[in-house]
Amino acid sequence: GQNIDQPTEMTATEGAIVQINCTYQTSGFNGLFWYQQHAGEAPTFLSYNVLDGLEEKGRFSSFLSRSKGYSYLLLKELQMKDSASYLCAVMDSNYQLIWGAGTKLIIKP
Amino acid sequence: DVKVTQSSRYLVKRTGEKVFLECVQDMDHENMFWYRQDPGLGLRLIYFSYDVKMKEKGDIPEGYSVSREKKERFSLILESASTNQTSMYLCASLGAEQGISGANVLTFGAGSRLTVL
Repeated sequence: GQNIDQPTEMTATEGAIVQINCTYQTSGFNGLFWYQQHAGEAPTFLSYNVLDGLEEKGRFSSFLSRSKGYSYLLLKELQMKDSASYLCAVMDSNYQLIWGAGTKLIIKP
Repeated sequence: DVKVTQSSRYLVKRTGEKVFLECVQDMDHENMFWYRQDPGLGLRLIYFSYDVKMKEKGDIPEGYSVSREKKERFSLILESASTNQTSMYLCASLGAEQGISGANVLTFGAGSRLTVL
C-alpha cells in the first residue's frame, strides 16, 4: 500500500530552527509537496520537489532524496505565526496525491 | 491568485437531510477535487473531476455524489447525511503555480465544516 509518515507533533522555540521529516512509500513518484495549514483554515502551498536536493524559499527550505523516499521541511528563524500543521503529500504514478496526516508544529516564546 | 470559493464555512444538518456543498474556482482549471479532513488522518479524496460532466471516484466515495455542469463549479452532494459524515470538507483546484516550473499545484478553498446531528 501507499504510505506517508510524518511526526504527529513537534515543539520548537521562537527564533530557532526546526526540521519536519516525511518518509514515503508510493507507487511511483511525480513530485512531493509541502503545505501549511493554520487551525481552521485551508492548506496553502509551501514547496514542491521533484528532483533530489534542496529548494530554498526565504525562511523555508525543502529537501528531497528519492532513493531514500525521504523529504524534510526546514523552517528557520521561527516566528509565532509559524505555529500550524505542515502536510506532506506525494504525487504517485497516476498523478494522484497521497497525503500524510500532518505535523502540528507548536512554537513557544 | 487562484481563488477557490466554498459557499458555506459552517453547516449544521440533521441525519437524513440532503446536503449541497458548492465550490467555484476562477482560473479556468480543468481539474477539481473534493477532500474530507478528519483529525489524525491525512486528506482523503472523495471525488475528482477533470472536465465538465466528468467525474472519478476517489478513495472514499460512498455516501457522496458530485456534479460538474460548468467548468468553474464543482458540487459535492450528500444524498442522506449521516453522523459519520461530520467533517471538514475541502474543495481544491489544480493548476500551474506561477514561478514553479513543471508543477501543478492544488489550491484549496477555505473549507466547509459540516456537523450532522
